[in-house]
Order: sequence, then structure tokens, then C-alpha cells
Amino acid sequence: EAEVAQSPRYKITEKSQAVAFWCDPISGHATLYWYRQILGQGPELLVQFQDESVVDDSQLPKDRFSAERLKGVDSTLKIQPAELGDSAMYLCASSPPPRPSGNTIYFGEGSWLTVV
Amino acid sequence: GENVEQHPSTLSVQEGDSAVIKCTYSDSASNYFPWYKQELGKRPQLIIDIRSNVGEKKDQRIAVTLNKTAKHFSLHITETQPEDSAVYFCAASLDTGRRALTFGSGTRLQVQP
Repeated sequence: EAEVAQSPRYKITEKSQAVAFWCDPISGHATLYWYRQILGQGPELLVQFQDESVVDDSQLPKDRFSAERLKGVDSTLKIQPAELGDSAMYLCASSPPPRPSGNTIYFGEGSWLTVV
Repeated sequence: GENVEQHPSTLSVQEGDSAVIKCTYSDSASNYFPWYKQELGKRPQLIIDIRSNVGEKKDQRIAVTLNKTAKHFSLHITETQPEDSAVYFCAASLDTGRRALTFGSGTRLQVQP
């Protein structure tokens, strides 16, 4: 069964350093999402892509976060500089083209970030 | 934007009992309501979903009900088992494929053997 791939799974970085996460969605999934999940809370959307275009980045802290999906396939989420409050799990998800039966999204395993 | 509220935040039941988790949403345009189960350190896994054209959906021991007028939906787990222990999240979105899910804050379910 195809899965959303993410790397790295775990990252420890020092405050003020840069960190990047990579995501490869399920083949054929045009929509890609980056969510952030702080321990004990629900996932919160950071950015949504449709192919290579950003659909929603209203909750992305643009002073330090950036995301790209240059060829409309895999995606990178970058944080620079990292702050202590960025410690969380970063979840990538993808969904297939819209269809009458609905639109399930599929999550990757997540990338755990600890900022020290 | 959409706002989803979920309660209770924690729920402890005895094995074999039923568990009910409730969510409310704010955007009357939302028409897709999935439920996810998340075990410690793992990704959220879809367990059941419902769309606004139905009021109830059941899959073995799990059922979800939707009241669009009141803008609330609920997850019902019957005959709970220890392996049901996890955090459960409800979510809502406009099911066009172009609107991301908005999640509730989660319910930690503990099933006591």
C-alpha cells in the first residue's frame, strides 16, 4: 500500500539553527498538506498545496517558515531560525483529486522536531 | 474559518462499556467529518468518516452520527477493548478536495481492563 514518505523522522536542533523536512506524497495525489502537531493538541494546518501552487498558508509563520513544492510532487518545509516553541511533530499529508465519493487525506509518519 | 470543538478531553471507561466523544463545528458549509485515532508517537489513522448527506454511519463497533442542524457530530465506540485506548480526533472540512481539515483538540480514551 502506498504511503506518504517523510524524513527525517527525528531531528534535534539548537535554537536559532535552520532545519528542513521533506515529504513525498502518494503518487497521483495533487494536494499536499503540512500540519504541525504540538504534544497534547490536534494537528494544525501550516500550508496546503494544489500541485505546485499554495492554496492556503494563512497559518504559516512566514517570518521563519517556508514551504515549497517546486515540481508539484515532493515538498520541503523549512524553519529558520528555529525557536523552542517550534518543538512539535510535523505531519505531511496528501489527498487524491476530488471525487464524488469523498476526499480522504493520508498522513505520513511525521517528523519529530526538538529544539534545544 | 472553521472551528472545531471536542469534548471530553479525557475519558476513562471499563472494558466492555461504551464511549462517546462529541464535536461541534462552526462553518455550516462543512460537509465532511472524519475521525482519527492516534496512538502514542504515531500518525493519525482514519477510523471512520461521514458526509453530510447521511446522518449515521456504522462500522463494526464504531459509529458516527451527524446533526447538521445543530452542527455537531459524535463518535460512538461500543464494547470497548484495551486496544481502543488512544487519542481520538474529530475533524471537519468542505469536501471539495481544496479545503484542509480542521481538527478538534483530541480526546484521550483510556479503557481499563
